[in-house]
Amino acid sequence: DGGITQSPKYLFRKEGQNVTLSCEQNLNHDAMYWYRQDPGQGLRLIYYSQIVNDFQKGDIAEGYSVSREKKESFPLTVTSAQKNPTAFYLCASSPAGQFSNEQFFGPGTRLTVL
Amino acid sequence: GENVEQHPSTLSVQEGDSAVIKCTYSDSASNYFPWYKQELGKRPQLIIDIRSNVGEKKDQRIAVTLNKTAKHFSLHITETQPEDSAVYFCAASSYNQGGKLIFGQGTELSVKP
Repeated sequence: DGGITQSPKYLFRKEGQNVTLSCEQNLNHDAMYWYRQDPGQGLRLIYYSQIVNDFQKGDIAEGYSVSREKKESFPLTVTSAQKNPTAFYLCASSPAGQFSNEQFFGPGTRLTVL
Repeated sequence: GENVEQHPSTLSVQEGDSAVIKCTYSDSASNYFPWYKQELGKRPQLIIDIRSNVGEKKDQRIAVTLNKTAKHFSLHITETQPEDSAVYFCAASSYNQGGKLIFGQGTELSVKP
């Protein structure tokens, strides 16, 4: 289970606040991803990054922002523009390369808006 | 864009029986198909994967089959055990899409002792 960590495990936010979720990996992976999971649903891609200082929007990027200043770190900010942010957030990483698509997941952060 | 459909959404079997979960994908460029198991409140864990140049792969009680022509792939679990109870997700990705995984909606498997 080691290698990719997320913090905090639980996060509570008041409406109108921005919050930042941490994701760190020591696997030397080039690519990192953020997913959102709602109860009874699959994982939906928010943002992904294939290389430092570059990232792309996923399917549900509105209301979220990311940065990739270091290879090891890919923090996600949930802004006040995200209308329904309560969900389970999963970070993942994978090696670069054509045959290296396997993604390794962190333990997740459960965000609740009060 | 790519779409992955997964069926059934719930599956209940008796211990020792087999379980089959099926997925279809829309992007013919997809070349990697992993299956993840997620226990309640935990992270998804890769249990098996298959690439487009292979039709079948087996690992002990778990097997995955891929039909590229029909664009569907299936997970087969034999001799099910109560600890197999979890939510299973299929996914598909293509290298020319930055390795993004597109997930199915998940199947909640319940194995009754």
